[in-house]
Amino acid sequence: TQLLEQSPQFLSIQEGENLTVYCNSSSVFSSLQWYRQEPGEGPVLLVTVVTGGEVKKLKRLTFQFGDARKDSSLHITAAQTGDTGLYLCAGSGAGSYQLTFGKGTKLSVIP
Amino acid sequence: DARVTQTPRHKVTEMGQEVTMRCQPILGHNTVFWYRQTMMQGLELLAYFRNRAPLDDSGMPKDRFSAEMPDATLATLKIQPSEPRDSAVYFCASGLVTSSNSNQPQHFGDGTRLSIL
Repeated sequence: TQLLEQSPQFLSIQEGENLTVYCNSSSVFSSLQWYRQEPGEGPVLLVTVVTGGEVKKLKRLTFQFGDARKDSSLHITAAQTGDTGLYLCAGSGAGSYQLTFGKGTKLSVIP
Repeated sequence: DARVTQTPRHKVTEMGQEVTMRCQPILGHNTVFWYRQTMMQGLELLAYFRNRAPLDDSGMPKDRFSAEMPDATLATLKIQPSEPRDSAVYFCASGLVTSSNSNQPQHFGDGTRLSIL
């Protein structure tokens, strides 16, 4: 069974600060996706990374896939209150469309 | 934007009652997933379908849960009889998978919040 561990579980920061959240596994994934979920809604895809060492940027968000494709990180620069939410990473194995989700990092950005 | 639609959004019922949750996937998507989300376990895959055929339901308690796709526009998840431990948010997601690209996003509905008293 492939497991994804996310850390920290909870994070509360002031607006304008930088933060990094992590997604780690002992298993290799062929691709990894990051989703954000807001209260009362379903997760929404932010990015997909597929190549070891890949870095993708989405405005103030930077996503990195580890060289060995076992881990990933999400860095947010100058956090805003609109970044508040649950950040979920999800991995899939080779040829599989089935996703294994981590339990998420709940981020609160305080004005 | 096309969206996955789930009904009802909220359901409160007593244990032992039958619960039916419905999902309308995005038109043209060929894969449908059912997930359950709790604080303790996070998002867990219950079952998924490709072209309306069930591919994997190993995450689902088979004695009380059943999932079907009567047609391409409707997926259902039933619990009978329901138990308090089934209380959770149930999400449906859909996607379009092709042989050349399995890294397609899953599009989630806004879930059914189920409370079994």
